[in-house]
Amino acid sequence: DAKTTQPNSMESNEEEPVHLPCNHSTISGTDYIHWYRQLPSQGPEYVIHGLTSNVNNRMASLAIAEDRKSSTLILHRATLRDAAVYYCILRDRGNTPLVFGKGTRLSVIA
Amino acid sequence: DADVTQTPRNRITKTGKRIMLECSQTKGHDRMYWYRQDPGLGLRLIYYSFDVKDINKGEISDGYSVSRQAQAKFSLSLESAIPNQTALYFCATSDPTRGTGELFFGEGSRLTVL
Repeated sequence: DAKTTQPNSMESNEEEPVHLPCNHSTISGTDYIHWYRQLPSQGPEYVIHGLTSNVNNRMASLAIAEDRKSSTLILHRATLRDAAVYYCILRDRGNTPLVFGKGTRLSVIA
Repeated sequence: DADVTQTPRNRITKTGKRIMLECSQTKGHDRMYWYRQDPGLGLRLIYYSFDVKDINKGEISDGYSVSRQAQAKFSLSLESAIPNQTALYFCATSDPTRGTGELFFGEGSRLTVL
């Protein structure tokens, strides 16, 4: 499976934008980039995913580099509730289970 | 009510005991998964099932077995529990034909083996 690399931790001030980076230099042409997050004491939850184009939804935006070797999850205004571990995961067209790395632990400071 | 329900939520047991963790879902999804999470680490896949007749090993299946009793039920068993199986266990479901094909997770079952 293609691997992803994320910083272990990041910190943000409340109501500021947050850019969470992910490197995936060995991504294949059929891999989708998925992001999940895990709030404290909960199971992971889906955030967003994309293939080549940037994507937006009510939770976040996903910016994908033109060569697809990296991507950035953007939280436009961090809230205390966004404090979580964020996982960047490569997945083919939905036919294989998700493989989680250690993710990035985001702390949000009031 | 939660769409993916895990029981028990917490369990303390002794080495050598047989333990079953149960997962049931009301989402109507064919695919179900069992993951394990250790402190400070991401989730690791134990077993997964793409339909009632399909069972597949994940990256850490040794010491575990599963049963897919129905579309809605997927149980994880530890035949003889050992202390290094102390962990947080998550069940998840998905349906790649619907929406984003995202995984939906239960709230987790915390298992402690003494």
